[in-house]
Amino acid sequence: QVQLVESGGVLVKPGGSLRLSCAASGFTFSDYYMNWVRQAPGKGLEWLSYISSSGNTIYYADSVKGRFTISRDNAKNSLYLQMNSLRAEDTAVYYCVRETYSRSYFDYWGQGTLVTVSS
Amino acid sequence: QSVLTQPPSASGTPGQRVSISCSGSSSNIGSNTVNWYQQLPGTAPKLLIYSNNQRPSGVPDRFSGSKSGTSASLAISGLQSEDEADYYCAAWDDSLPFWVFGGGTKLTVL
Repeated sequence: QVQLVESGGVLVKPGGSLRLSCAASGFTFSDYYMNWVRQAPGKGLEWLSYISSSGNTIYYADSVKGRFTISRDNAKNSLYLQMNSLRAEDTAVYYCVRETYSRSYFDYWGQGTLVTVSS
Repeated sequence: QSVLTQPPSASGTPGQRVSISCSGSSSNIGSNTVNWYQQLPGTAPKLLIYSNNQRPSGVPDRFSGSKSGTSASLAISGLQSEDEADYYCAAWDDSLPFWVFGGGTKLTVL
């Protein structure tokens, strides 16, 4: 069965960096577009970034553009999110999400990993 | 402030039918299909409706979706206590370009 397992969420100080990972299994990872979506405590869902199956096409939300970098390693069935210059408002649960095909819908979500940015 | 607009809350009694609206613009809902996600308390979101009105396997037919112009709607008939959750609409926005979500609607079953 399809599984997406995020890891890497921790408590980090403002201005710090962090890399989130998402281990995918149960499907041919290299065939699918992938995304990161976050949810601040008590708030709604916020889409962050999208990467095509090959990694050639990438998009970012304005709120993270220039600070976050999405990447993937199809040989390792893994998705990553490098987060730099972290701010308190980046505190959220970060979800790894599979997109069935480009601009379609999110069919599988990971369980999320909590990132807390605080001094 | 979300690109797609949803009412923050909705409620109904068991057995009732409730509807949740999602309003957008020509660059998102007007040009692309709408998806709905259900988030039960303390869990990750789950796909509920895709491509405006399609239900994934396992989703009861009590849930239905529709779209007209730049608005969409999620309807839940025969409301049950386990339907108490947050519901989010989403669509691709051609002008940005990226995914946009509604702010979410908290459904309470009275």
